[in-house]
Amino acid sequence: KNQVEQSPQSLIILEGKNCTLQCNYTVSPFSNLRWYKQDTGRGPVSLTIMTFSENTKSNGRYTATLDADTKQSSLHITASQLSDSASYICVVSAGEGYSTLTFGKGTMLLVSP
Amino acid sequence: GAGVSQSPSNKVTEKGKDVELRCDPISGHTALYWYRQSLGQGLEFLIYFQGNSAPDKSGLPSDRFSAERTGGSVSTLTIQRTQQEDSAVYLCASSPRGGQGVDEQYFGPGTRLTVT
Repeated sequence: KNQVEQSPQSLIILEGKNCTLQCNYTVSPFSNLRWYKQDTGRGPVSLTIMTFSENTKSNGRYTATLDADTKQSSLHITASQLSDSASYICVVSAGEGYSTLTFGKGTMLLVSP
Repeated sequence: GAGVSQSPSNKVTEKGKDVELRCDPISGHTALYWYRQSLGQGLEFLIYFQGNSAPDKSGLPSDRFSAERTGGSVSTLTIQRTQQEDSAVYLCASSPRGGQGVDEQYFGPGTRLTVT
């Protein structure tokens, strides 16, 4: 069964600190992996999309890594800001139709002043 | 420019009633998707439209759920004889091309449905 597991479930960090969120998946065949940011009461917003051949991608203070061999991805947030407080969702596509998009449950990040 | 919009933002209905949820995608986007997000759960795919046709409706949980898209634009998700387990946030997304690959999906703010 295709699964995406994210850790930690929730995280509190001080403003200005860095943090790393983890995503492990058992999705096959693999097409691409996406990280989304979802503010409370809003729809998810894409941060990065990575295909099999990419092992790192940055978007401002967000850097995602992908290890397709171990089926792991991480999202690193540098110099956190209060506005980074949100749920971060890892999504993996198995590449055979949209019913095979598998979503993680998300990591809830709270950046504290 | 205008993003994906959904209406209503909140809907409270009694068990057994029918509800209609609306999605206005980004103008020109070919593909449209419906998802459901239950409390504490990940997003669950419901249905995908390419133009006005739905090549993948495998995520619809029961025959009480249906969706249509007209004019390659607006879509409505209809839930008949609502049940309490239908309570969730229903999210709509659109993308420029659809199909496989890395087509970016843009999400609306969602409709929070509460069935009492």
